[in-house]
Amino acid sequence: NAGVTQTPKFQVLKTGQSMTLQCAQDMNHNSMYWYRQDPGMGLRLIYYSASEGTTDKGEVPNGYNVSRLNKREFSLRLESAAPSQTSVYFCASSERFRQGRTEAFFGQGTRLTVV
Amino acid sequence: DAKTTQPNSMESNEEEPVHLPCNHSTISGTDYIHWYRQLPSQGPEYVIHGLTSNVNNRMASLAIAEDRKSSTLILHRATLRDAAVYYCILSSGNTPLVFGKGTRLSVIA
Repeated sequence: NAGVTQTPKFQVLKTGQSMTLQCAQDMNHNSMYWYRQDPGMGLRLIYYSASEGTTDKGEVPNGYNVSRLNKREFSLRLESAAPSQTSVYFCASSERFRQGRTEAFFGQGTRLTVV
Repeated sequence: DAKTTQPNSMESNEEEPVHLPCNHSTISGTDYIHWYRQLPSQGPEYVIHGLTSNVNNRMASLAIAEDRKSSTLILHRATLRDAAVYYCILSSGNTPLVFGKGTRLSVIA
């Protein structure tokens, strides 16, 4: 079982460049999430999709856009990368948007450096 | 969001039990207590969760205080592979998981 797969694993961007981080899950989960983790910090929620066709802002959405392409895939786009977006990005999914009772599964992360 | 308080770091000897505390004095009646851990250079992984009663699974045990204002994650026999950051998170049915800084557990051989 692949679980949650993120691509790419590593990326270096120049300031102002754009890119899309891809995430796919094979567990037929309804809900998907994007988090970022800065050095020595916990994870912060960027955007989430409670179900296919819906997306909502999290704690730190500025500078990002998302697309829930279908039930399996949830992408994160940086339109104009800034050094402050240097971070490790994690995608996660859960069976349904009842996090109180359901387990979330995380990908291995994308390490992004903006120079 | 309900808040949790955890020690920044803890240390344990290998093959000994570890008790990781978490305070959550503002917990609401609908909040579940979740524990996740993050091994070095990996994404977080689910450990255990509970509502009111103590819970056991193959990875750990969760002991919940009777007033639910605190909980303890118990690793019965720490191994070097258990060295990680452990996150205690409260979650109700309507919000995604919100992570704090967690407790960094070091295991000494």
